[in-house]
Amino acid sequence: GIQVEQSPPDLILQEGANSTLRCNFSDSVNNLQWFHQNPWGQLINLFYIPSGTKQNGRLSATTVATERYSLLYISSSQTTDSGVYFCAVGLVGTSGSRLTFGEGTQLTVNP
Amino acid sequence: EPEVTQTPSHQVTQMGQEVILRCVPISNHLYFYWYRQILGQKVEFLVSFYNNEISEKSEIFDDQFSVERPDGSNFTLKIRSTKLEDSAMYFCASSEGTARDTQYFGPGTRLTVL
Repeated sequence: GIQVEQSPPDLILQEGANSTLRCNFSDSVNNLQWFHQNPWGQLINLFYIPSGTKQNGRLSATTVATERYSLLYISSSQTTDSGVYFCAVGLVGTSGSRLTFGEGTQLTVNP
Repeated sequence: EPEVTQTPSHQVTQMGQEVILRCVPISNHLYFYWYRQILGQKVEFLVSFYNNEISEKSEIFDDQFSVERPDGSNFTLKIRSTKLEDSAMYFCASSEGTARDTQYFGPGTRLTVL
């Protein structure tokens, strides 16, 4: 099956710093989503981005489908950005629609 | 904004008991999913459901599991004869019209099997 690798596994920042999270995937995809899992365990949709670039406030994401990676940028980080960030991909050619998740990046933003 | 809802938020059960986890997908969505996340691990796909039948299932989704859309709004996951290793967070998700659409996740049900 498709492999999804996220890096770094852990990231500790001071409030106000910027960061880049990476997601590599092993095959062509037709769905790529970034999620933030908050301390209560909820999965919050950040971006649906199988290709191209999107921005939402302090967050932006870029997916280069031909090179099989996606990047999530967090600028001017805040303590509320802490949590686990997951990348999940859906595979081209499947009649179904399973998302395969990466292991996540655990982000800690200190005040 | 419409959202996926799940009940209960936390379920505690004894090993060997049956549990039913309930979900109300977003009303105009056609695809429904269940995922699970064992504590400290990544989220894993269980099953997808479309047009009143399973469209895809993972190797985790064995005979112990079943899904049903009993009416026009609810989508359920039944786990028969629960095991300790079934303890996890179970997420329901839905998407609008195709397999490529954004999947929206519910808040999850934390299942604890004692």
